[in-house]
Amino acid sequence: QVQLQESGPGLVKPSETLSLICTVSGGSVSSGSYYWSWIRQPPGKGLEWIGYIYNSGSTNYDPSLKSRVTISLHTSENQFSLKLNSVTAADTAVYYCARSRMVSGVVMLYFWGQGTLVTVSS
Amino acid sequence: DIQMTQSPSSLSASVGDRVTITCRASQSISNSLNWYQQKPGEAPKLLIYAASSLQSVVPSRFSGSGSGADFTLTISSLRPEDFATYYCQQTYSAPWTFGQGTRVEIK
Repeated sequence: QVQLQESGPGLVKPSETLSLICTVSGGSVSSGSYYWSWIRQPPGKGLEWIGYIYNSGSTNYDPSLKSRVTISLHTSENQFSLKLNSVTAADTAVYYCARSRMVSGVVMLYFWGQGTLVTVSS
Repeated sequence: DIQMTQSPSSLSASVGDRVTITCRASQSISNSLNWYQQKPGEAPKLLIYAASSLQSVVPSRFSGSGSGADFTLTISSLRPEDFATYYCQQTYSAPWTFGQGTRVEIK
C-alpha cells in the first residue's frame, strides 16, 4: 500500500519561499507511470490543484501559480517536493501531496497524504 | 482552463434521504470526472472515478453518472457517516480543476 507524508515548515514569512517534501513509502517515485501532485486547501475553502510532475520529469502547473511554483522529483530519497516563492497570506493553506492512478484512460488522485498546514505570517 | 461548477454548494438532509449533487464542466470532458469525499480534518478520499466507477470499499449507496459536461453523484439512502463535503474534479486536461464543493449537512 502506497503511503505519502508531507513535511516542512508550518510557518513561512511573507515574500519568502514555501518548501514542502512528500515522502513516499510502499512504492517508488521513479517507477510506473504516475502523476505526483500537490493540492492545497485554504482554511474553510475548497480544494485547489497546484500541479504535478510525471515520472518522466515533465510538469504541469496551475496557470495562476505557474510563475511561482516548482515541483521536483528526488528519486534517491523517494520523495517529491513543492517550492512556492514570494508567498503571501493568500498562500496559507493545508497542502496535500497525492499520487495518481489511471484506469481505462482516466486519471484519478488515488493516494493522498494527510496534509500539512502552512501559515504565511510575519 | 476547464471550469467545474457544482450545485448545490450545500444541502441539509436527513438520514435515509436520497441526495443528488451535480457537477457541470465548461466544456466536454468525456468521462474524465472523479468524485471525492472529505470529512473535517481529513484528506479527501476517492469515491468514484471515470464518472461512474465505484472505488473499491465504497458502499453501493453511492453512484455516479454522466458524460460529456454534465455529471451527477447520488447517495441513495444517506447514512450518518456520509455527512461530509463532496468535490468533483476533471482530469481531462490540465489544469485539473475541482468543483467548489458541496457540503452535506444534517437536517
